[in-house]
Amino acid sequence: DTGVSQNPRHKITKRGQNVTFRCDPISEHNRLYWYRQTLGQGPEFLTYFQNEAQLEKSRLLSDRFSAERPKGSFSTLEIQRTEQGDSAMYLCASSPQQVYGYTFGSGTRLTVV
Amino acid sequence: DAKTTQPNSMESNEEEPVHLPCNHSTISGTDYIHWYRQLPSQGPEYVIHGLTSNVNNRMASLAIAEDRKSSTLILHRATLRDAAVYYCILRDHNAGNMLTFGGGTRLMVKP
Repeated sequence: DTGVSQNPRHKITKRGQNVTFRCDPISEHNRLYWYRQTLGQGPEFLTYFQNEAQLEKSRLLSDRFSAERPKGSFSTLEIQRTEQGDSAMYLCASSPQQVYGYTFGSGTRLTVV
Repeated sequence: DAKTTQPNSMESNEEEPVHLPCNHSTISGTDYIHWYRQLPSQGPEYVIHGLTSNVNNRMASLAIAEDRKSSTLILHRATLRDAAVYYCILRDHNAGNMLTFGGGTRLMVKP
């Protein structure tokens, strides 16, 4: 068990470019979550998958954001036409069932210049 | 999820116990109390959770008030590695799957 893995750890992109992040959850966890965290704030929920189905989406997830989890394994989060306000840490977490605690990855830090 | 209130920051001496308070006066009967902590440059880490009874695990203890309107996370012997932001979160296991993080308590541990 290597925990939740996120790649890349850091991403610097120019405004207007598209970026994609990857999350590999713990293999037996069927639930996967994406969060965003800005400096000095607690993480904010973005979206949730149970297996391959995306069951919840936050209002924070604008139409420039899309997340997928093909075959219920790894997940990707894509941001199109990035804006400076998208600069944040993007965190992925997984859990086996709802009643258990989440295991978070170390996050991908996005800087939009 | 119902709201929680935590002090912005606390200080502790190394090897002494730490009691981190959390108020949640609007807690509902189906809300579990979860605690996470976040070390610098890392994602949050699950610490402990409970419903009504006090809970212990290898990381910490959770003391829940009888009326459930407050709880306390207890670190029995603080180490420098316990310096982190500690989040108290209410989570209804019957509704929704998100954790709603507040500002948390920044714990500083002095050697």
